[in-house]
This record gives sequence, structure tokens and C-alpha cells, in this order.
Amino acid sequence: NAGVTQTPKFRVLKTGQSMTLLCAQDMNHEYMYWYRQDPGMGLRLIHYSVGEGTTAKGEVPDGYNVSRLKKQNFLLGLESAAPSQTSVYFCASSYSGLNEQFFGPGTRLTVL
Amino acid sequence: DQQVKQNSPSLSVQEGRISILNCDYTNSMFDYFLWYKKYPAEGPTFLISISSIKDKNEDGRFTVFLNKSAKHLSLHIVPSQPGDSAVYFCAIQRNSGYALNFGKGTSLLVTP
Repeated sequence: NAGVTQTPKFRVLKTGQSMTLLCAQDMNHEYMYWYRQDPGMGLRLIHYSVGEGTTAKGEVPDGYNVSRLKKQNFLLGLESAAPSQTSVYFCASSYSGLNEQFFGPGTRLTVL
Repeated sequence: DQQVKQNSPSLSVQEGRISILNCDYTNSMFDYFLWYKKYPAEGPTFLISISSIKDKNEDGRFTVFLNKSAKHLSLHIVPSQPGDSAVYFCAIQRNSGYALNFGKGTSLLVTP
């Protein structure tokens, strides 16, 4: 039982490049979330999904897109990376909207 | 405007003593309150939670207190152990929503 896994763990991009971060969970959770954490800040919600095929915007969605084609996977895309997107990205999942969320180990992204 | 405030960026406590971490929130509409613990290079892990209908919840060495009139939440760790050294995040949630609103975190150092 791996819980929530994220790939890759680290990535360096140049401004304007695109990439996709993959999140996978094996707990059969309905809800999945993408957060970013910046130095000295708490985690901020980018996008979330309440079930397969659904997505919704969070607090800081600009510059990101997401997809939930399979229940166990939640993808976060950056179409044209900007230095302001340098951050640590965490994926999380939960059984329902009111249960505690389980987090992955994070992806450290640097955009030059 | 930050809805969750952890005003102490850091706290140092001797092993065996009590650690008290504090959190203030601004919106009385929140219903569910959680504490997460985070080690470096790892994702946050759920520690303990409390709903707005309670004022105390205890789990082993960890107790969370909720003062709704003061919009204040605290986490007590007794006795503190060196392995408790981590960053602690307070997070709050509305009953009708999915997003967790995180504070900026308090870095706890427990010294032998």
C-alpha cells in the first residue's frame, strides 16, 4: 500500500517549457487535490477533483491545468512555465470532502 | 487576506516538557480544524482534528483545544520528544467545502 505517490521528485524547467506532474493514490479515494507551498507560506490549493472526470479551481489556479481521467490519478499541467511557479507541489487525496487528507512526498520544481 | 494565522514561526522546548502551538482564525464559518506535521522533504501527515461542536480532542500525547469565541485553536504535546521536531501546520475547513486553509506553520524544536 503505497498511499499517495508523486512523480517526478525534482524538476528544473526553463521559462516557457511545459510539463506534467503525476499523482497516484491506491486508497480508492474519491477526492484529490493539488497544493503548492512557497517559502514561509502555508499550502495553497491549486485545483481539486471530487471524482473521476471532474475538476474544480482552488485558490491559485492560474497557469495550471488538471485532469482526472482515472480515479487513482490526478495530473497537474504547466503549459508555459514561469519563474513564479517555482515551488514545492503536493498532491493529496481523501475519502470524502470532510475527512483528513493524505499527502504525497512532494515535487520540487524550479523554473529558470 | 489570510484566514488562518500561526503567529509563532518557531518554538523551542526541552524534552519532557509541554509544547503549545497556537493558531488563530478569522472566519467563524469554519467547522473542522486539523493539525498536520511535516518533516523536511516529506509531505504533511495528519496528526489530530476537532470539529466545531467540541472544545477538546485527545490522542495520546496530543491534545487539541478549540475556543470558538476567541477563534483560537491550540495543540498541546505532552511530554515532548525529540522526534516531535517538525513543522506543524494548522488547517481549517468549512463543512460545506473541500479546501483546507493552511496557516504558515510553526517550526518546533525539541532539545534533549
